[in-house]
Amino acid sequence: SSELTQDPAVSVALGQTVRITCQGDHLRTYYASWYQQKPGQAPLLVSHGKNNRPSGIPDRFSGSSSGNTASLTITGAQAEDEADYYCHSRDSSGHHVVFGGGTKLTVL
Amino acid sequence: QVQLQQWGAGLLKPSETLSLTCAVYGGSFSGYYWTWIRQPPGKGLQWIGEVIQTGKATYNASLRSRVNMLVDTSRNQFSLKLDSVTAADTALYYCARGYWMVGPRDRPQYFFDSWGQGTLVTVSS
Repeated sequence: SSELTQDPAVSVALGQTVRITCQGDHLRTYYASWYQQKPGQAPLLVSHGKNNRPSGIPDRFSGSSSGNTASLTITGAQAEDEADYYCHSRDSSGHHVVFGGGTKLTVL
Repeated sequence: QVQLQQWGAGLLKPSETLSLTCAVYGGSFSGYYWTWIRQPPGKGLQWIGEVIQTGKATYNASLRSRVNMLVDTSRNQFSLKLDSVTAADTALYYCARGYWMVGPRDRPQYFFDSWGQGTLVTVSS
């Protein structure tokens, strides 16, 4: 079982906004980071910290955090955003890494 | 732009040792946490462990008895060995670069900003 909890699946209509959430006590201590994984590809960092996007990530991706919950919001979802999304953090000790179970995003 | 390139045997028999190497190109080797992550077919990501430039390693408790990670700073490479593999170790194995950011009066953040291409390791008799 994962120490970070994500909904297994979420769907969004093309062009609409979707929020993917991640819950866990570790998130009170450390910010989450978010990864997009498309079939046959390695995960790709799309958001980290309070709301940081790596170079090349569209600004429709934004991260946020409140209490023990981190969120990844996609504003104006595109067909190419259909993928699995994983949240990630360190555990409360800081010595180990934990991943959420992943959320499969379907763009309708 | 840092690139991670990994390689190793893709087909093993039960009880053999998994051995993978990851080379780091275009970036510093120091100041990062060099990490191995795996993904069983159709499942999520599992952290195996990490090693830093000094050779100090930290492992997932569930794998600790079978895992060894090493660094070769002269070649900017790090490696993973997993002993006594079984079918449950069948997975896509990724190397990744982990980085800490700690700001004043804010929560620390840790993230993987670069990943290898992945190596499918299948354990079958």
